[in-house]
Amino acid sequence: NAGVTQTPKFRVLKTGQSMTLLCAQDMNHEYMYWYRQDPGMGLRLIHYSVGEGTTAKGEVPDGYNVSRLKKQNFLLGLESAAPSQTSVYFCASSPAGTGDEKLFFGSGTQLSVL
Amino acid sequence: RKEVEQDPGPFNVPEGATVAFNCTYSNSASQSFFWYRQDCRKEPKLLMSVYSSGNEDGRFTAQLNRASQYISLLIRDSKLSDSATYLCVVNIEYGGATNKLIFGTGTLLAVQP
Repeated sequence: NAGVTQTPKFRVLKTGQSMTLLCAQDMNHEYMYWYRQDPGMGLRLIHYSVGEGTTAKGEVPDGYNVSRLKKQNFLLGLESAAPSQTSVYFCASSPAGTGDEKLFFGSGTQLSVL
Repeated sequence: RKEVEQDPGPFNVPEGATVAFNCTYSNSASQSFFWYRQDCRKEPKLLMSVYSSGNEDGRFTAQLNRASQYISLLIRDSKLSDSATYLCVVNIEYGGATNKLIFGTGTLLAVQP
């Protein structure tokens, strides 16, 4: 039972470098999300997708881009990493955005930007 | 004011104790409420939804008070395995899309032997 899989689990970048985080889910969920979690702050929504080919901005989208070319995959890109993007990133999925759906989370990616 | 506020704790309690967490939310139009559990360095997992009439799942009881805009989580007969951070989560309409969840910062519970 894979559920939601994130890769990589850890990554260290230098300021200005780029990278892509991959999220894959095998539950045929329509909705996918990218969150970041920082000490003293709740999980904050970066971007989300309500279906294949669609993306939308969340609460803290600046410095990130996303793509949902296939229903099962949701990619998060950092074009030019900054130290402020040091965080733990969680991908999540849910069957539909009714407001009462359980979120399934991946195990997280610890990103450090030096 | 934060949209969702929780006491960060830590709550240090002995095994077998009863412990309660509260969470306040600012958006009176919020319709859905949840408690998630997050173990250290792990992903959050849904513990339980919170319904208007209150709901119970074994040793866990969740309550909603719409008038005062807070939800609570009561844990009875605490176990060592209950040690974790408990996240209060509230649904808020955001940009016309549904299922936009606002997470609290979490309350840390440490159950002592």
